[in-house]
Amino acid sequence: SQKIEQNSEALNIQEGKTATLTCNYTNYSPAYLQWYRQDPGRGPVFLLLIRENEKEKRKERLKVTFDTTLKQSLFHITASQPADSATYLCALDILTIYGNNRLAFGKGNQVVVIP
Amino acid sequence: DAEITQSPRHKITETGRQVTLACHQTWNHNNMFWYRQDLGHGLRLIHYSYGVHDTNKGEVSDGYSVSRSNTEDLPLTLESAASSQTSVYFCASSLLGTDTQYFGPGTRLTVL
Repeated sequence: SQKIEQNSEALNIQEGKTATLTCNYTNYSPAYLQWYRQDPGRGPVFLLLIRENEKEKRKERLKVTFDTTLKQSLFHITASQPADSATYLCALDILTIYGNNRLAFGKGNQVVVIP
Repeated sequence: DAEITQSPRHKITETGRQVTLACHQTWNHNNMFWYRQDLGHGLRLIHYSYGVHDTNKGEVSDGYSVSRSNTEDLPLTLESAASSQTSVYFCASSLLGTDTQYFGPGTRLTVL
């Protein structure tokens, strides 16, 4: 069956350290993968998109890698700050039965940055 | 500023009633989506539209319907609300040919 897996346990990390989140998927062949941030009581906000032919993407303190062989994406927050505390969702581009594309989301992984 | 809004933000209704949740975007995006988010399930796609008069079923479409009569709006209707439809509902939009989705603030629906 098709799955998108993110760690259900919250990641508690000391301020200034690097937080690393994992997104694993099975039985999908996405052309790209996205990461979103969600704060409590709010909608997800887009952070980064990485395509299947890209190994790594960076945006300020964020870095995403995409390994289509391992079927895995890693999301890194370097020099983490308390303001980075949120839930982070990965999303895969998948082909639907209608022949068009849509996003399928993982359940999200909470990050808590401790001052 | 362009934006995406949802109304109401909170709604309590009774089992069996018809409920409509509104979603309005001012970006002129072709693509619009409705998701529900529940603890333990994450975001699940209900219905989506890639343009006026186009609608498609998502993974959890039973008991829901949408119609797209203009670019800006995609209302979500629960024909006969059930307690299992208690959830937080998010609307999102994206520009044709792009993949980034912009989400609304959500509607918390409680069905008693």
